[in-house]
Order: sequence, then C-alpha cells, then structure tokens
Amino acid sequence: DAGITQSPRYKITETGRQVTLMCHQTWSHSYMFWYRQDLGHGLRLIYYSAAADITDKGEVSDGYVVSRSKTENFPLTLESATRSQTSVYFCASSEWRRETQYFGPGTRLLVL
Amino acid sequence: AQSVTQLDSQVPVFEEAPVELRCNYSSSVSVYLFWYVQYPNQGLQLLLKYLSGSTLVKGINGFEAEFNKSQTSFHLRKPSVHISDTAEYFCAVITGGGNKLTFGTGTQLKVEL
Repeated sequence: DAGITQSPRYKITETGRQVTLMCHQTWSHSYMFWYRQDLGHGLRLIYYSAAADITDKGEVSDGYVVSRSKTENFPLTLESATRSQTSVYFCASSEWRRETQYFGPGTRLLVL
Repeated sequence: AQSVTQLDSQVPVFEEAPVELRCNYSSSVSVYLFWYVQYPNQGLQLLLKYLSGSTLVKGINGFEAEFNKSQTSFHLRKPSVHISDTAEYFCAVITGGGNKLTFGTGTQLKVEL
C-alpha cells in the first residue's frame, strides 16, 4: 500500500516553463492539499480540494493551477515558473477537514 | 484569520534532558490543534492532536502536549529526549468552522550527546 506519493521527487526547470507536480493517494481520502515549504515560513497552503472537481485557493495560490478530476489524483501546475517558486512542495490528504493530514515525501523544485 | 506562533526557531538540548517546544495560537473560537514532526528530507507525520476532551494529549515517541485555552497555548513536551528526536516540529491549528490548517514556522530540535 503506497499511501501518498509525489512525482517527480526532484525537478530543475527554467523561468517561464510550465511544470506539473503530481500527487497520488491510495486511501480515497476526500480532502487533498498542496503546500510549499520555505525557510522561515513553515508550510503555506497553495490549494486544497474537498472532493473531485471541488478546489479552493489557499494563501499563496498566485501562479499555480490545480485540477482534480479523480479522487486519487491532485496535480499542481506552475503555469510559468518563476525563481520565487523555488521551494519544496508537499501534497497531503485527509479523510475529513479536521482529521490528520498524511503527507507525501515532497518534491524539491529549483527554478533557474 | 487564525495564526500560529512558534517563538523558538531552534532548541538545542542534551540527550536524556527534558524539552518543551512552545506553541501559541490566535483564535477566539473553537480550535483543533496538531503537532507534526519532520525528519530530514521527509514529509511531515503526526505526533499528536487535540480535538476535544482531556486537555493533556499523549502522542507517539513519548511526546505529550497540553491544551490551555486561557493562554491559547499548546506546548509540546518530552521528559527525556533521544538523539533520534532531532527533527523539525510544527504546530498547526484549524478552527471549528474552517477548512484550512495553519502551520507555525517550525522549531528545529537538536539533541546533542
């Protein structure tokens, strides 16, 4: 049972390119989340989804797009990558909004 | 908007000594509180959580935390730390009616011999 996986684990891209980070969970959890982790900021919410086809913005959503056509997948797309989007990105899922969130291993993204 | 403050960015401590990691939140409504731990190059995993009931919550690896509503705090404690406890610890809060978990900026616990 894989739980929650992210791909790729490491990514280097250039400014202006489109990048998609993948997230897949095997528990059929309703809620899924994307966070970015930066030194001094902790984890900040980018987007979340309460169910398939239902998504909502977090506190740092500018420059990012998400979709959720299937319960188990929640891809995050950087439409035109900028250097300020260099970060570690974590996907998480939970059965309900107040319940424990289970985190993936993270994707380290470097934008040159 | 809810917020979480972890005043200590780094806490060095000797092995077998007790430790307390501080967490304060700002919310006047009902809250649900969490402590997560992140080991190097890994994702976060839950240590413990307070949803309701007893204000003293016990978690994994010998950690515990106490919810203090009057002081809006949820400090994490362990009576005797081990080298393996070296990690970053995050406090997080979600309000009763909210959908979003708000994290503190984290406390790096470094256990030394």
